[in-house]
Amino acid sequence: DQQVKQNSPSLSVQEGRISILNCDYTNSMFDYFLWYKKYPAEGPTFLISISSIKDKNEDGRFTVFLNKSAKHLSLHIVPSQPGDSSVYFCAASVTSGTYKYIFGTGTRLKVLA
Amino acid sequence: NAGVTQTPKFQVLKTGQSMTLQCAQDMNHNSMYWYRQDPGMGLRLIYYSASEGTTDKGEVPNGYNVSRLNKREFSLRLESAAPSQTSVYFCASSERTGRNSPLHFGNGTRLTVT
Repeated sequence: DQQVKQNSPSLSVQEGRISILNCDYTNSMFDYFLWYKKYPAEGPTFLISISSIKDKNEDGRFTVFLNKSAKHLSLHIVPSQPGDSSVYFCAASVTSGTYKYIFGTGTRLKVLA
Repeated sequence: NAGVTQTPKFQVLKTGQSMTLQCAQDMNHNSMYWYRQDPGMGLRLIYYSASEGTTDKGEVPNGYNVSRLNKREFSLRLESAAPSQTSVYFCASSERTGRNSPLHFGNGTRLTVT
């Protein structure tokens, strides 16, 4: 039972355009959401997070949007750069109780120069 | 400041052999985690330790054991390795439980079981 889903395995975007990566979850108890990027032969690197009390969080070119009613979050990268090419994972957690972080299957983003 | 350090980086085992993957963090984090990454499966939680002295099962604990040796170290043991345990293993830590705190990952151990 996949509680966190990333339904797009891959995405290609032109440099300078917006990249939108999507993530859906099924557990309504999740209240903390994170995005990670991962390069080959390295561990995932934390990118940005959002608490369920917010619907948007920005950090430079990266913005995460949370739609609790739809159980959906998205990561927007504007403008996209070739260095953003990587695999992106979303993750979700219940901050009280189990302390587990559940990850999606990842989306490979390729930014074309 | 090394962050999360995993050893070894690579390992090849024969079916039935045992081994322990080591993980240490120097960030004074309370919680530590073991994940495995397989193609098309993302990162799946094997075991975690919310705080020193406690461990709990994650999504895929079968075939593994863990030890939270102290606040810094969290090891993962395969008692009798199977080809299905061929994977990349990541250790992670987070500052505190029950609060918004991102995971920090090591660079992984690539394990092949033949």
